[in-house]
Amino acid sequence: NAGVMQNPRHLVRRRGQEARLRCSPMKGHSHVYWYRQLPEEGLKFMVYLQKENIIDESGMPKERFSAEFPKEGPSILRIQQVVRGDSAAYFCASSRWGSGNTIYFGEGSWLTVV
Amino acid sequence: GQQLNQSPQSMFIQEGEDVSMNCTSSSIFNTWLWYKQDPGEGPVLLIALYKAGELTSNGRLTAQFGITRKDSFLNISASIPSDVGIYFCAGLRETSGSRLTFGEGTQLTVNP
Repeated sequence: NAGVMQNPRHLVRRRGQEARLRCSPMKGHSHVYWYRQLPEEGLKFMVYLQKENIIDESGMPKERFSAEFPKEGPSILRIQQVVRGDSAAYFCASSRWGSGNTIYFGEGSWLTVV
Repeated sequence: GQQLNQSPQSMFIQEGEDVSMNCTSSSIFNTWLWYKQDPGEGPVLLIALYKAGELTSNGRLTAQFGITRKDSFLNISASIPSDVGIYFCAGLRETSGSRLTFGEGTQLTVNP
């Protein structure tokens, strides 16, 4: 299965700890996106990256959240000093090209902050 | 940010019935995508639409890109129990680059 791979699928963190979520795009895809979904809601855009570049981070909270997509390895969404409100499903998506291209999602990482 | 108005919010139908849901916006979109999400899973792409007026089918599913570029609908014919789930529309605007805007979803329940 060459789909978008995310891990971990489920993550529990205590308040104040750090959460790291990883995403490997589909084979041949060089554009990665992160979305957040709160219970009973649609997905909300967070950040769009290409290899070694952040293209659009307009949906990222100003503090504690960061994302990277290094030349080698998966994309990482990092949340520092997590709070209860960070509990959500975080979805990674990828596409072969940029704007206008079909975007495929991974199965998500469910973060629970206790 | 810009919202997509998706309706209905939920539907309860009998197996075999047809279903229709739609999304509207005050903004123009260049691409419309329809996804289905099961509990605990990621959204699965059902249909992608790239041109105004485009009508595309995928099995029992049919979706159309509205000619005004501000709306789209999804029809499911002859529903079956495995159609249960949440259906999301998502759009790409010319001014938003690759930033998808999602509707709030339609929860579909199919009674056998």
